[in-house]
Amino acid sequence: DAGVIQSPRHEVTEMGQEVTLRCKPISGHDYLFWYRQTMMRGLELLIYFNNNVPIDDSGMPEDRFSAKMPNASFSTLKIQPSEPRDSAVYFCASRARGQAETQYFGPGTRLLVL
Amino acid sequence: KNQVEQSPQSLIILEGKNCTLQCNYTVSPFSNLRWYKQDTGRGPVSLTIMTFSENTKSNGRYTATLDADTKQSSLHITASQLSDSASYICVVSAGDKLTFGTGTQLKVEL
Repeated sequence: DAGVIQSPRHEVTEMGQEVTLRCKPISGHDYLFWYRQTMMRGLELLIYFNNNVPIDDSGMPEDRFSAKMPNASFSTLKIQPSEPRDSAVYFCASRARGQAETQYFGPGTRLLVL
Repeated sequence: KNQVEQSPQSLIILEGKNCTLQCNYTVSPFSNLRWYKQDTGRGPVSLTIMTFSENTKSNGRYTATLDADTKQSSLHITASQLSDSASYICVVSAGDKLTFGTGTQLKVEL
């Protein structure tokens, strides 16, 4: 398996623009997680899905952020409109069923909002 | 509020030396504790996972310990190598939800 795939790897955009980050989880994994990582705050869970259904989105900063998982092999995280404080590395991770299962992280998308 | 605190924040050691990283947590209910290694520019990779009943787990030169009574964990790295230079993140699970520490940045030098 190729692991968790994220695209793009890098994104530079101007404030106010819409940004869409994409994730393909490992085939067969039931859970998908979106994280944001900054130097100041470390890794923060934004939202996670189980069987394509959002379970907990309490970590989503505000209404400008939205996430979808239309099928088991694809998820998006959208920021509209983007702001400079959204600049961070966004990770997608997936795991199989079972709380003891390991989460496998993608390579991340490094977002810079100017 | 669930919290995970790690120390030290950063650490520099010479190649071949041992080191120990600390993790204190206040997470309830406790499910398991993981240590992740994150190389610069990459996603975290799991090193060890321990449940409530386990107090030590090894993965090569990495040995993690867990004291569920004091809510402390440590990660011991033996005979460090240059490739051990990375951020080490302690992660505690409460059910499906994870609480992340801010990590210890380790640099191994010649």
